[in-house]
Amino acid sequence: AQSVTQLDSQVPVFEEAPVELRCNYSSSVSVYLFWYVQYPNQGLQLLLKYLSGSTLVESINGFEAEFNKSQTSFHLRKPSVHISDTAEYFCAVKGSSNTGKLIFGQGTTLQVKP
Amino acid sequence: DTGVSQNPRHKITKRGQNVTFRCDPISEHNRLYWYRQTLGQGPEFLTYFQNEAQLEKSRLLSDRFSAERPKGSFSTLEIQRTEQGDSAMYLCASGGGTGNTIYFGEGSWLTVV
Repeated sequence: AQSVTQLDSQVPVFEEAPVELRCNYSSSVSVYLFWYVQYPNQGLQLLLKYLSGSTLVESINGFEAEFNKSQTSFHLRKPSVHISDTAEYFCAVKGSSNTGKLIFGQGTTLQVKP
Repeated sequence: DTGVSQNPRHKITKRGQNVTFRCDPISEHNRLYWYRQTLGQGPEFLTYFQNEAQLEKSRLLSDRFSAERPKGSFSTLEIQRTEQGDSAMYLCASGGGTGNTIYFGEGSWLTVV
């Protein structure tokens, strides 16, 4: 079984400042890792994913996340945030040996202030 | 590829009534998932289909909940004798082949009054 812990429920940050949203996971098997973003009253959109290969993965809108197996972490970072990045961010894990379900963390609310 | 489609988007019902949500996955995706999300929480897994076979059900899915995917295409989630605690957003997602990415719909909001 897998589990995910998002260490911060809310992260307030000023526009153009850097941000890190923390995610730790627990699993007895190899995993795939995902970050999803959810804007108010909408479904989840895939932001980026780690399946294999390079441990640093990037999204098209400037976010990046690094898979750290020894620390069982998959923290999300952005060097300079915009007002439009204000949203709920969810880290999720799936066992790599099956095509089954994603397990989600509780979410982190990113609040970008002008 | 029109994405995952869910209907209705919003439903207000009286306690004790039955409600049904429909999900149309991305074409040719053989895996379909239902999740429930309450305010301020992450999505919680409810059930999972591969084609028409329901392969896994969460303990969250009480006897009042039933999901079907009769022809391996669209799916329905029915809640019988709704309770106020059922108020939540119900998310459908789909995935295809050996791929490991799961794509979500916009969700169906249920309010039980």
